[in-house]
Amino acid sequence: KNQVEQSPQSLIILEGKNCTLQCNYTVSPFSNLRWYKQDTGRGPVSLTIMTFSENTKSNGRYTATLDADTKQSSLHITASQLSDSASYICVVSAGYFGNEKLTFGTGTRLTIIP
Amino acid sequence: NAGVTQTPKFRVLKTGQSMTLLCAQDMNHEYMYWYRQDPGMGLRLIHYSVGEGTTAKGEVPDGYNVSRLKKQNFLLGLESAAPSQTSVYFCASSYSERGGLETQYFGPGTRLLVL
Repeated sequence: KNQVEQSPQSLIILEGKNCTLQCNYTVSPFSNLRWYKQDTGRGPVSLTIMTFSENTKSNGRYTATLDADTKQSSLHITASQLSDSASYICVVSAGYFGNEKLTFGTGTRLTIIP
Repeated sequence: NAGVTQTPKFRVLKTGQSMTLLCAQDMNHEYMYWYRQDPGMGLRLIHYSVGEGTTAKGEVPDGYNVSRLKKQNFLLGLESAAPSQTSVYFCASSYSERGGLETQYFGPGTRLLVL
């Protein structure tokens, strides 16, 4: 059974600090991994998409890493801002071309305090 | 360009009542999806559509029906609502197949409470 586990469940940090969110997955065969940001009361918004061959991908202050050997990904947020307060969801795609399936993690709830 | 919109934003139903959730997208996307999001669980796929006139079952289809009569619209129906269907429902769309490298764009969600 495909599984995506995220840690921590919740995190509180001071504005301006950095943080790293973790994602471990058990899927086969791996296709790609995505990180989404979900503001309270809104739909998820895509941050990054990484394939098997990509180790790092950045989107502004967000940097995602992928280690396909250990089946781990992380999302690093640099110089956090109040607007970064949200849930961050790791999503892994598994399957062969034309028959992929997405498995969603339960998310990490990040709170930035001034 | 509104992206993906959902109607209604919030609804309260009594057990056994029926309703239809409407999703509309103006990006000319082929693929559309309905998900539900429950506390402590990741989003789960209910039904999806790979094009106008086609629909397919997702991970948790029981108790729901869908229709895609027009490319821009994807309707989710609950024929006889049950308390277990209390959830937040998200519609999403993408240009090509799910799981591919195409980004899924999500709507703002519909909060449904079944009493």
